[in-house]
Amino acid sequence: GAGVSQSPSNKVTEKGKDVELRCDPISGHTALYWYRQSLGQGLEFLIYFQGNSAPDKSGLPSDRFSAERTGGSVSTLTIQRTQQEDSAVYLCASSPSPGIYEGYTFGSGTRLTVV
Amino acid sequence: EDQVTQSPEALRLQEGESSSLNCSYTVSGLRGLFWYRQDPGKGPEFLFTLYSAGEEKEKERLKATLTKKESFLHITAPKPEDSATYLCAVQGVGAGSYQLTFGKGTKLSVIP
Repeated sequence: GAGVSQSPSNKVTEKGKDVELRCDPISGHTALYWYRQSLGQGLEFLIYFQGNSAPDKSGLPSDRFSAERTGGSVSTLTIQRTQQEDSAVYLCASSPSPGIYEGYTFGSGTRLTVV
Repeated sequence: EDQVTQSPEALRLQEGESSSLNCSYTVSGLRGLFWYRQDPGKGPEFLFTLYSAGEEKEKERLKATLTKKESFLHITAPKPEDSATYLCAVQGVGAGSYQLTFGKGTKLSVIP
């Protein structure tokens, strides 16, 4: 596609429920990143994919968070047993390869609200 | 640990009133410093990458500069459409995954 697509754009869920957030990167981009943007905070790195593998999961805040990527394309971020502190905008970005600094393109994000 | 501090948190300018945004950083070896623009409800939009001290880049009314400790985003004769949050980020040589460390941003409002 022309850009990074994320769905849903908004998600309201009850505390304790599981949620799945989806990211469709730009076609051909091998590197994919998930970030989280909480109110009043900077973007926080969550996880990085190179192809289908995740060499760096260091930013995942707890074992309730997991992510996968299939076919070197679509990625899903799953949050189990959601808590109120998980409320944030989850942003996905992709680039042609990890070292291409000028091609780091973000999607519009999924706004998650846990009530 | 890489750190980025942006100032001011918010800035109101009259249309045509030039100013600068500051980004101070600490990093164990700089791969690159990035400026992004973020509009409400949208993801960050890439503006510039700076790689070494002394480097400058320009785009329309924006000019980014870099020293060993900070970067400035200069806005010349801003227009209302320049209103947005401007984000600064760094990538250190220790970031093996090429992750970026972001500041909290400067919210710019340009008043007609």
